[in-house]
Amino acid sequence: AQSVTQLGSHVSVSEGALVLLRCNYSSSVPPYLFWYVQYPNQGLQLLLKYTSAATLVKGINGFEAEFKKSETSFHLTKPSAHMSDAAEYFCAVDAGGTSYGKLTFGQGTILTVHP
Amino acid sequence: KAGVTQTPRYLIKTRGQQVTLSCSPISGHRSVSWYQQTPGQGLQFLFEYFSETQRNKGNFPGRFSGRQFSNSRSEMNVSTLELGDSALYLCASSGGTRAGELFFGEGSRLTVL
Repeated sequence: AQSVTQLGSHVSVSEGALVLLRCNYSSSVPPYLFWYVQYPNQGLQLLLKYTSAATLVKGINGFEAEFKKSETSFHLTKPSAHMSDAAEYFCAVDAGGTSYGKLTFGQGTILTVHP
Repeated sequence: KAGVTQTPRYLIKTRGQQVTLSCSPISGHRSVSWYQQTPGQGLQFLFEYFSETQRNKGNFPGRFSGRQFSNSRSEMNVSTLELGDSALYLCASSGGTRAGELFFGEGSRLTVL
């Protein structure tokens, strides 16, 4: 079975500081991994995804994530936080096989950006 | 192109009633998935439809059901509503293959009183 653990339900950074959101996964098959962002009263928007190509994945809005198999991690980073980055972020893993449309999500990390 | 459209956006029901939520996927997408989002349980997968067939189902009671029409629009129904069914219900569409990006709608927020 697949699972995702996001370390830290709340992360607070200053504008211009490094953003680091942690995600560890467990998967019985080679995983496909995703980061989504959710703004208040909105659905989820894909930031980036790892599908077994390059281990360093670049996404939208300056975010990137590195797949580390040895650490079973897929942490999300952004060099310089912007006020508009304040949102909730979800890491997710594809269940593999015939689990079409099913992603297993972490519990989410709320990012607060201080001026 | 137009995104995923969910209706209604907000609704209030009482215990014991039933509710039907609608989802129109992105044009050309044949897969529609449904998720329940609550503060306590997070995002949980309900089911997925592809070309009018349910291909995958999560661990929800039989009160939760869905269907998909020939134009790929989907509906989900919850019967005999319970207070715990209060949640944001999200619909997502995709091309239907693994690792295909899920495009989410803004959700239908259901409050059960």
